[in-house]
Amino acid sequence: GAVVSQHPSWVICKSGTSVKIECRSLDFQATTMFWYRQFPKQSLMLMATSNEGSKATYEQGVEKDKFLINHASLTLSTLTVTSAHPEDSSFYICSANSHSGNTIYFGEGSWLTVV
Amino acid sequence: SQQGEEDPQALSIQEGENATMNCSYKTSINNLQWYRQNSGRGLVHLILIRSNEREKHSGRLRVTLDTSKKSSSLLITASRAADTASYFCATASGFSGNTGKLIFGQGTTLQVKP
Repeated sequence: GAVVSQHPSWVICKSGTSVKIECRSLDFQATTMFWYRQFPKQSLMLMATSNEGSKATYEQGVEKDKFLINHASLTLSTLTVTSAHPEDSSFYICSANSHSGNTIYFGEGSWLTVV
Repeated sequence: SQQGEEDPQALSIQEGENATMNCSYKTSINNLQWYRQNSGRGLVHLILIRSNEREKHSGRLRVTLDTSKKSSSLLITASRAADTASYFCATASGFSGNTGKLIFGQGTTLQVKP
C-alpha cells in the first residue's frame, strides 16, 4: 500500500545549528502534507499544513521562521528546524493525504535531539 | 491546539479483559479516527468513523460515536499483551479536501499484563 517515508529516523544536532527532516510520499502524489510534533508522553500537536507550490499554513503559536517548511514537489515536503535549541528536541511526524484526499498516511517519525 | 480529552489517561488491565477508552471533542467533525502508537514509534491507523455513523467494528475493535455529546469510545475486546500501546483519537473537520488535518486527543496509555 501507500507509504510515507521520513528521513532521518533520528538525528542529534548541536544547539544553534539547523536540521532538515524529509517527508516523502513513495507511491502517490500528495498536494498536502502535515507536520506534527510530539513531546515525550504527550499527544501530537499539529504544527503546519504544507501545500505543494505555495506557502505553508502554520498553526497558532508555531514560529514560521524557526520551522521552515518547503513543499517543492508532489512527493516531498521538508521541515527545517533552524537555530535549534534543546527545547526543540521532540518527535516530528508527517502525514500526507492520498490524491483523493480520503486516506491519510503517516510517516514513521523523526526523533530530534538537540544537545 | 488539542481537540479534547481522552479518558482514562492510563489504563492497566489483565490479558483477556476488555479495554474501553473514551474521547471527547469540541467542534463539529467530518470523521473521527483512532490511532495506536507503540512507544517511540509512528502511528498505526485503527479505524475511522464518519459523523453520520454511530458504531463501527473491525476485528476486536468497536468504536462508537455520539455527535450530540461530541464523544467517542474505543473498545478492545479480549485484550492481549501486544495491545500495550498509546491510543489516540483524532478528529477531522472542514471540507473533504482538508480531512488530512487532524486534531488529536491527549491519548490513553494502555498496559495489558500477561
